[in-house]
Order: sequence, then C-alpha cells, then structure tokens
Amino acid sequence: AQSVAQPEDQVNVAEGNPLTVKCTYSVSGNPYLFWYVQYPNRGLQFLLKYITGDNLVKGSYGFEAEFNKSQTSFHLKKPSALVSDSALYFCAVRDAVVSNAGNMLTFGGGTRLMVKP
Amino acid sequence: EAQVTQNPRYLITVTGKKLTVTCSQNMNHEYMSWYRQDPGLGLRQIYYSMNVEVTDKGDVPEGYKVSRKEKRNFPLILESPSPNQTSLYFCASSFQGAGYTQYFGPGTRLTVL
Repeated sequence: AQSVAQPEDQVNVAEGNPLTVKCTYSVSGNPYLFWYVQYPNRGLQFLLKYITGDNLVKGSYGFEAEFNKSQTSFHLKKPSALVSDSALYFCAVRDAVVSNAGNMLTFGGGTRLMVKP
Repeated sequence: EAQVTQNPRYLITVTGKKLTVTCSQNMNHEYMSWYRQDPGLGLRQIYYSMNVEVTDKGDVPEGYKVSRKEKRNFPLILESPSPNQTSLYFCASSFQGAGYTQYFGPGTRLTVL
C-alpha cells in the first residue's frame, strides 16, 4: 500500500523568508510524486511533479521540490515567500508501475501555509 | 479551454434522496477519478476509471457508484446519501503522457441533512 505523510498541519513564515513544506512517502516501487496547491474556495492546482531524472524539480510560482530517495522525502521549497503563497498544500504519490497502483493517487493530509507580512 | 467541469457546484439534500454529480473533461484523458476532501484527512480517492467501461474502487468507495459510458464523462452517484457523505467532492482527469498529473474540477460541496 502507498502512503503520504505531511507532518505539519500548519507552517508559518514571514514574507521574504524561505519556506519548506515537508512530505514523506511510501510506495512499493518507484514513486511518482506531486505537489498541489489549493487556494480558498478553489480547486486544486498542479505545482510540480517528480517522475524521473534530476532530483531537484522546479515548478510554478517559484516553487521547487527535492526528491530524496534514501529519506523517502519530497519537500516543497521556495527561496522567498510571498503573502499570496498562503494556501493549503498537498503532497501526493503513486506507484510508477500501473499494475501496482492502478490509477491510485494517494494524498497527504495537507499543510496550511501562512505567510505573514 | 482545457478543463474539467462538475455540476452542481453546491448541493443540499436530505438523507436517502438519490443524487448524481456530473463530471466532464474535454482533454480526451483516459483516466478519471473522484475524490472527497474532509478537514484533516486530505483528499481520499473514491473511485477511478482507466478507460471507458473500466472502473475500480479507491480508498473510500462505500455508498458511491460510478459509470464510464463515454470517455469524457464520469458521473458520481449516491443512491442513498447519508450525513457522513457531507463533503467537498472533486473530479479529476489524467493521462499517462503527463505522468498521470491530475487535472481537477472546481469541486462540488455536498451537504446531506
């Protein structure tokens, strides 16, 4: 079975400071990893994904994430936070092998990011 | 415009009254899914479909039905809704070529009284 953990319900950061939102995962095979963002009263928007290749993935709005296979982590980062980054962030994982996962995509519980001026 | 649409966006109903939430995508994606979002639990997959007439259970399928008669449509059916199905529901579509990146609809907020 696959699983995702987002250990922090909320992350608070001052505008202009770097931010990190943590994610660890578990799959039986190789992972496909995703980050999504949800703004208030909106659907989920895709931020970035890791499929294969470079461990550092760059995505939308200046966000990036680093895949660390030994630590089974995929933390989301941004060098300089903006107030407009305040939202709910979800990490998700699926097994790269379709026969292991079908189209199962497993989400973490979400982390609320609060960026204060 | 490439998109996933859901209807209705908001629905208040009573226990036991059958309802259907429609989902449609115009991107010719083979995969479609339904999720429910509850506070503290993130998104949990209800059902998914890998293509027309191919559906399978996700993590929380009890009390729900789906059908995939056409590639673009994937309705979610609640035959006898109960208050514990009060939630925010999202439909999503994806395809292998994008690494299964999910494209989400705007959500349907369902309240069962």
